[in-house]
Amino acid sequence: DAGITQSPRHKVTETGTPVTLRCHQTENHRYMYWYRQDPGHGLRLIHYSYGVKDTDKGEVSDGYSVSRSKTEDFLLTLESATSSQTSVYFCAISGDKGQGAHEQYFGPGTRLTVT
Amino acid sequence: GIQVEQSPPDLILQEGANSTLRCNFSDSVNNLQWFHQNPWGQLINLFYIPSGTKQNGRLSATTVATERYSLLYISSSQTTDSGVYFCAVSNTGGFKTIFGAGTRLFVKA
Repeated sequence: DAGITQSPRHKVTETGTPVTLRCHQTENHRYMYWYRQDPGHGLRLIHYSYGVKDTDKGEVSDGYSVSRSKTEDFLLTLESATSSQTSVYFCAISGDKGQGAHEQYFGPGTRLTVT
Repeated sequence: GIQVEQSPPDLILQEGANSTLRCNFSDSVNNLQWFHQNPWGQLINLFYIPSGTKQNGRLSATTVATERYSLLYISSSQTTDSGVYFCAVSNTGGFKTIFGAGTRLFVKA
């Protein structure tokens, strides 16, 4: 299994508070991604990173920011959490070399509840 | 952007039965993956298959890129195959991946 961890695994927070989720990888992969999964939906891309300090928006980026200061860590921040951001958040990684480049591997997920 | 449609949305099988899951996409792609999300929420890689055919045990997949579809075959299904199967595609080298809504499979003992 790809070495991907997410923290925290579960979090309950109040509307209006800032929240930061962490994704940590031990695979030295170049690309990292944040997705959210809501009931009845597949996963939707929030932001992705293609290198240290290089990030770009995905499909549902409003209300989220990201940072990547080291290859191994990708942080997702909700500046002021809203109830609509209650979801399960998944981090993914992928490489860029060889067969299967860009094949994504997923972390275990973080369940976030905003009350 | 690319649209991804998976069918059927739900499937109930008796243990031992075979099934075919389909993924249609609206534009050319250079990345396509199949995932299984188990009842505990874990996403498991099944196939990375932007074109061609692959097999892994009881599972196989075929992608016909020119006709914009991919098929996932499950043979001799087991209760542990239950969960949701997702197709995910990209035409930007893996960035901006779009997931289908999934096929929910339940295998009865």
